Amino acid sequence: GAVVSQHPSRVICKSGTSVKIECRSLDFQATTMFWYRQFPKQSLMLMATSNEGSKATYEQGVEKDKFLINHASLTLSTLTVTSAHPEDSSFYICSALAGEQFFGPGTRLTVL
Amino acid sequence: AQTVTQSQPEMSVQEAETVTLSCTYDTSESDYYLFWYKQPPSRQMILVIRQEAYKQQNATENRFSVNFQKAAKSFSLKISDSQLGDAAMYFCAYNDMRFGAGTRLTVKP
Repeated sequence: GAVVSQHPSRVICKSGTSVKIECRSLDFQATTMFWYRQFPKQSLMLMATSNEGSKATYEQGVEKDKFLINHASLTLSTLTVTSAHPEDSSFYICSALAGEQFFGPGTRLTVL
Repeated sequence: AQTVTQSQPEMSVQEAETVTLSCTYDTSESDYYLFWYKQPPSRQMILVIRQEAYKQQNATENRFSVNFQKAAKSFSLKISDSQLGDAAMYFCAYNDMRFGAGTRLTVKP
């Protein structure tokens, strides 16, 4: 089956620093990837749609300058949380679209 | 904007019994997809079942089946012969991007 990986699985950073999360489709190509945020015991909230070779489409209320998304190849999308603050602490999940949506295992970000 | 509502925060079922999880949605579109996803403690999202709105026949995947009522905008998931491994959070999703709040399913041995 199609596999999507995320790196890192966990990251702890200091407030004010930037953190990059990678999302890779390991055995297939995906022109479209999605980034979600999940707070504890809550649902997945779509943050943005990442399209290879073009700018990401952000959902209403998501700051594009804070959550930078780059989809430079058909197998890799990155989410950079810039100038992270404690309220950015969350579980971030990516997915890649190939007929159906295949999810990565998620990245837990903790900002101190 | 499309919204997805799961009115059951928690459900419990006895092993080998049947349980139904509810989901309603709101949309003005006529063609769309509906999904049920499972999220076990590992947090890895797993597709359980998918329904295409233009298909009247309810989707079935082994022990999992749906009751799709398009006019009522209802999309419930039935799990038959529940197993301990079915314990997880279950999310209903519209067009794969709009998720409900989730239902935590507990399976009692």
